[in-house]
Amino acid sequence: GAGVSQSPRYKVAKRGQDVALRCDPISGHVSLFWYQQALGQGPEFLTYFQNEAQLDKSGLPSDRFFAERPEGSVSTLKIQRTQQEDSAVYLCASSSDATSGRNEQFFGPGTRLTVL
Amino acid sequence: GNSVTQMEGPVTLSEEAFLTINCTYTATGYPSLFWYVQYPGEGLQLLLKATKADDKGSNKGFEATYRKETTSFHLEKGSVQVSDSAVYFCALSDVSNFGNEKLTFGTGTRLTIIP
Repeated sequence: GAGVSQSPRYKVAKRGQDVALRCDPISGHVSLFWYQQALGQGPEFLTYFQNEAQLDKSGLPSDRFFAERPEGSVSTLKIQRTQQEDSAVYLCASSSDATSGRNEQFFGPGTRLTVL
Repeated sequence: GNSVTQMEGPVTLSEEAFLTINCTYTATGYPSLFWYVQYPGEGLQLLLKATKADDKGSNKGFEATYRKETTSFHLEKGSVQVSDSAVYFCALSDVSNFGNEKLTFGTGTRLTIIP
């Protein structure tokens, strides 16, 4: 595709529900990132994939957060037993190579999650 | 750890005014520095970047110089337009302990340009 796409764009969940957020990266991009952006804040790193391997999950805030990228393309971020503090915009980004330290990350439009 | 501090907003300027948005950083290594922009209803877009000290990034009339001695990367534009209204994020990229780069962002500065 032309860019990174994410779905759904908006998600409202009741506290305690599980949610799944999808990211379609730019075709051929090896590296995929998830970020969390709280209201009025900058994005914060959650996790990183190189192809299908999740190499860095140091930013995941709790074990309720789980991400996968089974075929090295589409990725899903799952949040179990959602809490109000999980309300945020979840951003996905991809890049051609995230080990050189010099490649641009291309961001999707984000999924705005509201937990009631 | 790494951190980015940027000028708090919101910032409101008249069209054709001079713009400066301050950004300073703390990093243990030798990061690359970025400015990202988020236009209303759109995703984050890279505006400009600099990968080493004294480099100047520039795009769309904006520029920023990587100043290692002051750990700064201030964004400037000589004459802003209404279309520049957006939220601007300063960010740094450094290689993590796991070998991948990841971005650390500032809190963002909302800029509004009045005709």
